[in-house]
Amino acid sequence: EAGVAQSPRYKIIEKRQSVAFWCNPISGHATLYWYQQILGQGPKLLIQFQNNGVVDDSQLPKDRFSAERLKGVDSTLKIQPAKLEDSAVYLCASSDSDRGLGEKLFFGSGTQLSVL
Amino acid sequence: QQQVKQSPQSLIVQKGGISIINCAYENTAFDYFPWYQQFPGKGPALLIAIRPDVSEKKEGRFTISFNKSAKQFSLHIMDSQPGDSATYFCAASIAGNTGKLIFGQGTTLQVKP
Repeated sequence: EAGVAQSPRYKIIEKRQSVAFWCNPISGHATLYWYQQILGQGPKLLIQFQNNGVVDDSQLPKDRFSAERLKGVDSTLKIQPAKLEDSAVYLCASSDSDRGLGEKLFFGSGTQLSVL
Repeated sequence: QQQVKQSPQSLIVQKGGISIINCAYENTAFDYFPWYQQFPGKGPALLIAIRPDVSEKKEGRFTISFNKSAKQFSLHIMDSQPGDSATYFCAASIAGNTGKLIFGQGTTLQVKP
């Protein structure tokens, strides 16, 4: 099956500019996640969607970050304006049940953002 | 209390040896403990996972050992191979939202031929 698709692969912007990332999850996966991975750290959840509704956005810096999932499929994550500390890899994931144990997340390859 | 602490930060093992990575947590509400493997330029991929009602789970060369009373769990990679060289993350989540993962800091494993 096709994996989680993300674009662009790399993005370089200057601080205070805006940027958007796109994600297409695995077909049939109702839950979609955006994680932020800063160099040398584990991923951190930014926002979680169930279909097109938000399940958790408690760690999303809402003054500058926004996300939407129209029609419960594709999703976009936007940063406006960007700060230097936003430099990271932004990972999109979708999930399916892992044999009833828990949610098995399937991650895309991410978008590497550099803010100069 | 929401942290998952992982050690060591990096690990070098000879081919055929055993790689051991340790994690500790504080939040007793955590109910699902997966390990993810990440290669450079790729997203993490689920390797193996466990719930706290069992003390050990084995899948091929990979084993999770879980100590509920100590709030610790570890990944053992038996017969380590150069292809296992990657970054490994432990994670934890609570029942009701097992997709909201709290990740450890990661361990970079290098298996020397």
